[in-house]
Amino acid sequence: GAGVSQSPSNKVTEKGKDVELRCDPISGHTALYWYRQSLGQGLEFLIYFQGNSAPDKSGLPSDRFSAERTGGSVSTLTIQRTQQEDSAVYLCASSLNSRGKTQYFGPGTRLLVL
Amino acid sequence: RKEVEQDPGPFNVPEGATVAFNCTYSNSASQSFFWYRQDCRKEPKLLMSVYSSGNEDGRFTAQLNRASQYISLLIRDSKLSDSATYLCVVMSSGYSTLTFGKGTMLLVSP
Repeated sequence: GAGVSQSPSNKVTEKGKDVELRCDPISGHTALYWYRQSLGQGLEFLIYFQGNSAPDKSGLPSDRFSAERTGGSVSTLTIQRTQQEDSAVYLCASSLNSRGKTQYFGPGTRLLVL
Repeated sequence: RKEVEQDPGPFNVPEGATVAFNCTYSNSASQSFFWYRQDCRKEPKLLMSVYSSGNEDGRFTAQLNRASQYISLLIRDSKLSDSATYLCVVMSSGYSTLTFGKGTMLLVSP
């Protein structure tokens, strides 16, 4: 079946602009996660959704970052007033439920802020 | 102390060699442990879970030492296709947020 998909695959933007990153989880997966991977760094947890609610937003680095999930499926990560340090690969993962130990990752969105 | 620590490598080994990676974690309440593999410019993919009793999957063997908060991965008979970054991953109690190490790079040469 189809895996996790993300769009766009690459995004180049100017400092100060807003960007929206999209994640389509595996059908039927109720848990969805956003991570960020900067060059030479490990994956950094951003936010977790169970259904449409986000029990844990602790990883969001600033109030410029927000995410939502509608219909228990698609999620959007929005970064407002982008900064150069926001440049990274943003990875989305889904699992069957919150107890699902296997997370399946999408290919990521490579964001470059000039 | 970082939550999950790994030697970044790279580990350069010839084909057929045996190589081992180690990882330590700081949260003693961690419940589940994994090794993920990440190829260059690709997303991470689950390689194997790590169980307290140790577990094997073909050429790969994973071990967990809860007392020392230490996880290992052993790769036997290395193949060129094993070249990748190996991520040590820990799941803490509660819901299933994963904490990733920065990864250990493995380069297998002919």
